Amino acid sequence: GAVVSQHPSRVICKSGTSVKIECRSLDFQATTMFWYRQFPKQSLMLMATSNEGSKATYEQGVEKDKFLINHASLTLSTLTVTSAHPEDSSFYICSARDHGGRGAPETQYFGPGTRLLVL
Amino acid sequence: QKEVEQNSGPLSVPEGAIASLNCTYSDRVSQSFFWYRQYSGKSPELIMSIYSNGDKEDGRFTAQLNKASQYVSLLIRDSQPSDSATYLCAVNFMDSSYKLIFGSGTRLLVRP
Repeated sequence: GAVVSQHPSRVICKSGTSVKIECRSLDFQATTMFWYRQFPKQSLMLMATSNEGSKATYEQGVEKDKFLINHASLTLSTLTVTSAHPEDSSFYICSARDHGGRGAPETQYFGPGTRLLVL
Repeated sequence: QKEVEQNSGPLSVPEGAIASLNCTYSDRVSQSFFWYRQYSGKSPELIMSIYSNGDKEDGRFTAQLNKASQYVSLLIRDSQPSDSATYLCAVNFMDSSYKLIFGSGTRLLVRP
């Protein structure tokens, strides 16, 4: 149980284009999903909290107009990196909170991640 | 001071030994604690969660929590080379809704 998928797993794009990443909870409903970014040899950095049916909450320093988040259903959240630039190249990982699961409601299950390379 | 601190390592142990990974957290009201394992190039995987003081065992893994000392640890018994990874400690503080605050991780290397 508590499986989270991400698509695509890897994407290469040209500078200036937009990239959409999907995060799905496969066997549970997730009212809250989280988007993280991780640069090589660094820890996870929380970018934003995605809430189903409402606006995402962004962490300090994260541009909401650049990283668009939509959480239209209980099983799907999307992150769109708009006008991507080489410095946006990173490992983007989503997680989902299984509020109906056996564990604590704060338990997060991670997707496999999306590796973005902007040329 | 960081909210969740871990020694970056690497912690090197021989195969079959006990690996002890430590994590301290700031003086804020906290309610749940998690250990995640992250292999190189992969996303984190939940290993254990613990909510109350004491020990919690699951197979070769034991999580220990001491709220008075603001300390949580993970013991791995009979360490295997496949346990070599980065271990992330995460804390949920009550005033941060459902967010988890992650430490920077400890890299564990189990030598064959």
